[in-house]
Amino acid sequence: AQTVTQSQPEMSVQEAETVTLSCTYDTSESNYYLFWYKQPPSRQMILVIRQEAYKQQNATENRFSVNFQKAAKSFSLKISDSQLGDTAMYFCAQTGNMLTFGGGTRLMVKP
Amino acid sequence: DADVTQTPRNRITKTGKRIMLECSQTKGHDRMYWYRQDPGLGLRLIYYSFDVKDINKGEISDGYSVSRQAQAKFSLSLESAIPNQTALYFCATSDLGPAGVTDTQYFGPGTRLTVL
Repeated sequence: AQTVTQSQPEMSVQEAETVTLSCTYDTSESNYYLFWYKQPPSRQMILVIRQEAYKQQNATENRFSVNFQKAAKSFSLKISDSQLGDTAMYFCAQTGNMLTFGGGTRLMVKP
Repeated sequence: DADVTQTPRNRITKTGKRIMLECSQTKGHDRMYWYRQDPGLGLRLIYYSFDVKDINKGEISDGYSVSRQAQAKFSLSLESAIPNQTALYFCATSDLGPAGVTDTQYFGPGTRLTVL
């Protein structure tokens, strides 16, 4: 069985600063993908970033980057130059044949 | 137009009523999913389908049923709704990735269901 754990239920950061959200996972599968999804108050689930587990290079999307440590089964999300619009719930997720979600981290960006 | 649509977006019903939530997609994906999200929690899988003839139970399928009418359509039914089924319901679609496993899932806007 797959499990995904987000140990930080809530975090806050000042606008323009950098914040890192933690995620650990457990799987016996050799091929999988990892994701971070954002859920703003509009409740839409929005893909932030995707990591292919068979690639060592960390994924980057503009201000968002990950630190993927496969051996440690760790997949953290770094948000640089935080903006007010980054305020949302963030979910870490892993696929094998289906998607398994962590419990989420509520991020508040303060002006 | 949105790639994954859900109807209705909001629904209030009474205990014991039969409810159907519908999902349509234009992404051409074979794989479709129904999830439930309770307040402050992550998503839990109810049912999933890898093609029109393939239906599988997820983590929390009791009290729910599904129908895959076509590649593009996947419906979720609550045969006899109860108050603890009050939640936000998401439909999602995905393709098979290069690694041979499920790739990115694309979500509909969600249906907020309230059972009184």
